[in-house]
Amino acid sequence: ETGVTQSPTHLIKTRGQQVTLRCSSQSGHNTVSWYQQALGQGPQFIFQYYREEENGRGNFPPRFSGLQFPNYSSELNVNALELDDSALYLCASSLPRLGNDNEQFFGPGTRLTVL
Amino acid sequence: DAKTTQPTSMDCAEGRAANLPCNHSTISGNEYVYWYRQIHSQGPQYIIHGLKNNETNEMASLIITEDRKSSTLILPHATLRDTAVYYCIVRVRYGGSQGNLIFGKGTKLSVKP
Repeated sequence: ETGVTQSPTHLIKTRGQQVTLRCSSQSGHNTVSWYQQALGQGPQFIFQYYREEENGRGNFPPRFSGLQFPNYSSELNVNALELDDSALYLCASSLPRLGNDNEQFFGPGTRLTVL
Repeated sequence: DAKTTQPTSMDCAEGRAANLPCNHSTISGNEYVYWYRQIHSQGPQYIIHGLKNNETNEMASLIITEDRKSSTLILPHATLRDTAVYYCIVRVRYGGSQGNLIFGKGTKLSVKP
């Protein structure tokens, strides 16, 4: 059983550019959540995908968008990058059991630096 | 989701028990208490969760007070590798868009030799 993987590990972009981050969920997990973690802060929820549909969104502007594919892998896209978008982007997968709780399994993250 | 309050930092001697407190006085009846930790430069790692009964697994024990307004995570024999930021989170049982985690700043636990 493979864990959650993310690519790339590190990325440097300039203001105004667009970026795509990728996540492969743990085997069998159909739900992927994305978080942004600024330096010294806890992770902040961006959005969640369940069976290829957005299933909830945090307080992030529309230039943050995502996709989930039939194999449950996912992408996070950020348009018109701003300096404040510099952060660690974390992907987490889970297998929700209706009517029950679940835990999320996090990947190692992608460190994005916007210059 | 209810908010949690944790101390900013704590120290613990290697080999001793680490007791990390968390206040969640506004927790609702259907909200669970979850603990995650984040070792430097890694993604958060699930530790344990509970609703109202005490829980134990291979990593830690979770003690929840009878009124559920606070809890304590116990690492029975802390090692240097337990140095991390520990997050206490309360969340609803899975309910579609409400099934996300809300992280605070957590407690920075430093285990010292």
